[in-house]
Amino acid sequence: QKEVEQNSGPLSVPEGAIASLNCTYSDRGSQSFFWYRQYSGKSPELIMFIYSNGDKEDGRFTAQLNKASQYVSLLIRDSQPSDSATYLCAVNRMMDSSYKLIFGSGTRLLVRP
Amino acid sequence: GAVVSQHPSWVICKSGTSVKIECRSLDFQATTMFWYRQFPKQSLMLMATSNEGSKATYEQGVEKDKFLINHASLTLSTLTVTSAHPEDSSFYICSARIGHFGPGTRLTVL
Repeated sequence: QKEVEQNSGPLSVPEGAIASLNCTYSDRGSQSFFWYRQYSGKSPELIMFIYSNGDKEDGRFTAQLNKASQYVSLLIRDSQPSDSATYLCAVNRMMDSSYKLIFGSGTRLLVRP
Repeated sequence: GAVVSQHPSWVICKSGTSVKIECRSLDFQATTMFWYRQFPKQSLMLMATSNEGSKATYEQGVEKDKFLINHASLTLSTLTVTSAHPEDSSFYICSARIGHFGPGTRLTVL
C-alpha cells in the first residue's frame, strides 16, 4: 500500500463545474496535509494546506480533512481551463526525527472549455 | 511567501561528468533544505534532507556518494550529481521550507 494514494485520472470536468480531487493516506501520525498544482514541466505550486479536521476555504478552493477516515480532498469551484494541471497531495509527518513531505502520484485534471 | 531559487534551470551534460545544482533561500534562513527528484509522469520523490553545518540525510535507495549535498550556509544548499549517467536525467527540485519549492532544474545526460 502506498503511503499517499491518489487516482491518476484524468478527471475531466466542464468549465464552471466543481472538480473534486481525493487523497487517502496510511499513516495516522501524519500532521498536516498539502495540495499542490503542477503544470507540465514546472515546479509544484502550493495551493493550500490543512491540519485540522473539517473544511478550509481559500477563494475557489476548499480543502477537506477527515483524520478518522484518513482522507483529504480538494474542491475547485467554478473550474477554469487554466486549472488544468496535475494536482499533488502531500502529507507531512515525522520521519527520522524530522518532518518530511510524502507525495502522492497526482491526479491530472482537465477542464473542458 | 518563502522564495526559493535554483540554478541552473536546465543543464545538458555528457555521461560521466558531474553537475552541480544550487538551491538558495532568498528571503529567509533555512537550516534544512530538501532535495526531490521527479521522473516524467511520476510524482516527487524525496532524495535527501540537507542540514546546515552537518551531513545530509539520504532516503533509502539514494546513493550518498553519487548525489553529494553541501549545505554550507543558511541560504545555500548544493546538489552535485557525480559521474552522471542517462538514467540520472530527471527534474530536480529543492525545497527550503515545508511547502515551498524552487523552480526546479531539468538535467539531461547524453
